[in-house]
Amino acid sequence: NAGVTQTPKFRVLKTGQSMTLLCAQDMNHEYMYWYRQDPGMGLRLIHYSVGEGTTAKGEVPDGYNVSRLKKQNFLLGLESAAPSQTSVYFCASSYRPPWEQYFGPGTRLTVT
Amino acid sequence: KNEVEQSPQNLTAQEGEFITINCSYSVGISALHWLQQHPGGGIVSLFMLSSGKKKHGRLIATINIQEKHSSLHITASHPRDSAVYICAVRSIVGSQGNLIFGKGTKLSVKP
Repeated sequence: NAGVTQTPKFRVLKTGQSMTLLCAQDMNHEYMYWYRQDPGMGLRLIHYSVGEGTTAKGEVPDGYNVSRLKKQNFLLGLESAAPSQTSVYFCASSYRPPWEQYFGPGTRLTVT
Repeated sequence: KNEVEQSPQNLTAQEGEFITINCSYSVGISALHWLQQHPGGGIVSLFMLSSGKKKHGRLIATINIQEKHSSLHITASHPRDSAVYICAVRSIVGSQGNLIFGKGTKLSVKP
């Protein structure tokens, strides 16, 4: 039982490049979330999904897209990376709120 | 004004000390979460509470709904408790009950 996994763990991109972050969970959770964590700020919600085939915008969605084609996977895409997207990205999953969220180990992304 | 405020931002303690971390919030909530972020970056959920008090080992979390305040206590602190402790609330207003996070309290316990 791996819980929530994220790939890759680290990535360096040049401005304008694209990439996809993959989140996978094996707990049969309905809800999945993508957050970013920046120094001096709390975790901020980028996008979330309440079930397979559904996605919704969070607090800071600009510059990101997501897809949830399978219940266990939640993908975060950056179409044209910018230095402002340098951050640590966390994926999380849960049963229906207010149940606790389970977090992945994080992806450290640097955009130069 | 942030909807979730934690204090202190940084805390240094000697091993064995009793530690209190505070969280105040300004919105109506259905639940409050305390999380721990290890120095390596991983985040784990410690408590979820909507009233009263919960205890797990040396950790105790309390909440006062009327005062919109919660505290996390650590008894007999140990260097392995060194981490960032994050308070998050689930607002009753807004979509899907998403969490609103505080900025965290960085705790360092010296041997």
